[in-house]
Amino acid sequence: DGGITQSPKYLFRKEGQNVTLSCEQNLNHDAMYWYRQDPGQGLRLIYYSQIVNDFQKGDIAEGYSVSREKKESFPLTVTSAQKNPTAFYLCASSPKSRGSEAFFGQGTRLTVV
Amino acid sequence: AQKVTQAQTEISVVEKEDVTLDCVYETRDTTYYLFWYKQPPSGELVFLIRRNSFDEQNEISGRYSWNFQKSTSSFNFTITASQVVDSAVYFCATSGSARQLTFGSGTQLTVLP
Repeated sequence: DGGITQSPKYLFRKEGQNVTLSCEQNLNHDAMYWYRQDPGQGLRLIYYSQIVNDFQKGDIAEGYSVSREKKESFPLTVTSAQKNPTAFYLCASSPKSRGSEAFFGQGTRLTVV
Repeated sequence: AQKVTQAQTEISVVEKEDVTLDCVYETRDTTYYLFWYKQPPSGELVFLIRRNSFDEQNEISGRYSWNFQKSTSSFNFTITASQVVDSAVYFCATSGSARQLTFGSGTQLTVLP
């Protein structure tokens, strides 16, 4: 089945640790995105990538890092610099054409313990 | 910069009632796109509809309908004869010259049996 796979579904992190969230797509989409969702705040854009080996910061990039070495993969690292990382993280992808809808993974819920 | 406002944080209706979810957008782009997504409890965002700024025709898909009015910068979503399975968070979003989506804060719809 074509789609976007995020793993793990639940992730627990100790304070001061870096963690990496996985996002893989087999839709052959050029663009990929990471969003953060907090209760009552909707989705906020962390990073996005339009092509391999290139990515841009979104609205809340501080404390996060990404890479795009392959078209199908866009991992997100939550670093210890992110002060409040507990949230629901959603990965998405879309075709390159403007106005295309984005397709989302099932999300990763990260909790700092 | 783009902005989407969903003023209704939570709505509760009884099954079979009609319900309208409001969405107001702001954009400086002359060409832009509007979207609605549904987020069931499982967390994954499900795409419902996309409209471009040049097409103000209303659309109906089964029990769902959408009313796009450029004059009021609104893109409202109506569910007719609501069902318990419609319970979810609904997000309105927009994209323009910047391809990434900007989301509203979402409306939690609860349909009571």
